[in-house]
Amino acid sequence: EAGVAQSPRYKIIEKRQSVAFWCNPISGHATLYWYQQILGQGPKLLIQFQNNGVVDDSQLPKDRFSAERLKGVDSTLKIQPAKLEDSAVYLCASSWTGPAETQYFGPGTRLLVL
Amino acid sequence: KQEVTQIPAALSVPEGENLVLNCSFTDSAIYNLQWFRQDPGKGLTSLLLIQSSQREQTSGRLNASLDKSSGRSTLYIAASQPGDSATYLCAVVETSGSRLTFGEGTQLTVNP
Repeated sequence: EAGVAQSPRYKIIEKRQSVAFWCNPISGHATLYWYQQILGQGPKLLIQFQNNGVVDDSQLPKDRFSAERLKGVDSTLKIQPAKLEDSAVYLCASSWTGPAETQYFGPGTRLLVL
Repeated sequence: KQEVTQIPAALSVPEGENLVLNCSFTDSAIYNLQWFRQDPGKGLTSLLLIQSSQREQTSGRLNASLDKSSGRSTLYIAASQPGDSATYLCAVVETSGSRLTFGEGTQLTVNP
């Protein structure tokens, strides 16, 4: 069984630029999550999709962050414009039906904003 | 608001030692508690999931306990090996089942 795929693995941009991350979840998983992990901290949920609908985006900075899940499969997370404090690892995860069960994480995208 | 705390933040032990990692949470109304492992530059790997009605779960050399009333969980690693070196994170799902709330992790180093 293939795991959660993410790209790119690393990205360096200057502040005020835009950036996009891509995630392909495990086949058949209805729930997809994007987390932000700042160095030395635990992951923080940004947005959760159930199929192609948003279930929880209460912690997503909506003035600069956006996300979509096309056809209930792949997802993209975008930051525009980026700030220095957005430097972090962005993790995508998926699960069969919801957050109360085991989540499977991708390798993450490490973003550095200069 | 649920808060999850892990102590210690870092731990270094010699190979073969048994060790305990601690996790505490402020709101005992949880659905389950999960332990994850994170290797440098990689994503998280689920280790154990304890339902709120359970007291412990075991997988190989790992044993996790849950005391929901006191808001505590421990992860016990027996006969530690250098390959156990990683960051260990605990996370809780509240009864609403809405999201995972993570602690900041314990960075474990097992020295050969």
